[in-house]
Amino acid sequence: DSGVTQTPKHLITATGQRVTLRCSPRSGDLSVYWYQQSLDQGLQFLIQYYNGEERAKGNILERFSAQQFPDLHSELNLSSLELGDSALYFCASSVADSANYGYTFGSGTRLTVV
Amino acid sequence: AQKITQTQPGMFVQEKEAVTLDCTYDTSDQSYGLFWYKQPSSGEMIFLIYQGSYDEQNATEGRYSLNFQKARKSANLVISASQLGDSAMYFCAMREIGTSYGKLTFGQGTILTVHP
Repeated sequence: DSGVTQTPKHLITATGQRVTLRCSPRSGDLSVYWYQQSLDQGLQFLIQYYNGEERAKGNILERFSAQQFPDLHSELNLSSLELGDSALYFCASSVADSANYGYTFGSGTRLTVV
Repeated sequence: AQKITQTQPGMFVQEKEAVTLDCTYDTSDQSYGLFWYKQPSSGEMIFLIYQGSYDEQNATEGRYSLNFQKARKSANLVISASQLGDSAMYFCAMREIGTSYGKLTFGQGTILTVHP
């Protein structure tokens, strides 16, 4: 157990639907990062939150949104789902925004859009 | 321009032999960190080793070592005495602080297959 909890582990849903992915960071970590891993795009950075505030945005579609709550857990909302959104979505947390620290990853949510 | 380049889509190694996975990076930051992660077929991302840009010694963690050549901007992962359980995807990643708020940028990965 890495200490980063992601739920659900698997999700199968239909095109056009909306889903919410949940992440609880490791205790003490203030930063949460979301990544999308697909076969053709590799690991793509989506968005970062630090202590409840959005810090940086990557290749996140307008149909996607995220937030970090006061208890530091984070949710990634994916709406109007398309087949191409099928991917492994990772949440990671880090104790500090320093080059000396890596991430601790959750086990991921595998999303399949049918 | 690619920030992290892993030029080997796939590598094969015999069990008990050593293997080197290549990684080159591009940054204008003076302070950065280099990381290697392992992703087995089960999907989780496992941290292996870290090298700081100011570290003069190459990092080592058990059977893993990082061959850091700063002038060449390379950070190759060396796995000694390969085991069957080392078969996985390996990602090189860089963390810059200057303009990226600490996000990790990943290479495309190298699939390592260890043969018995």
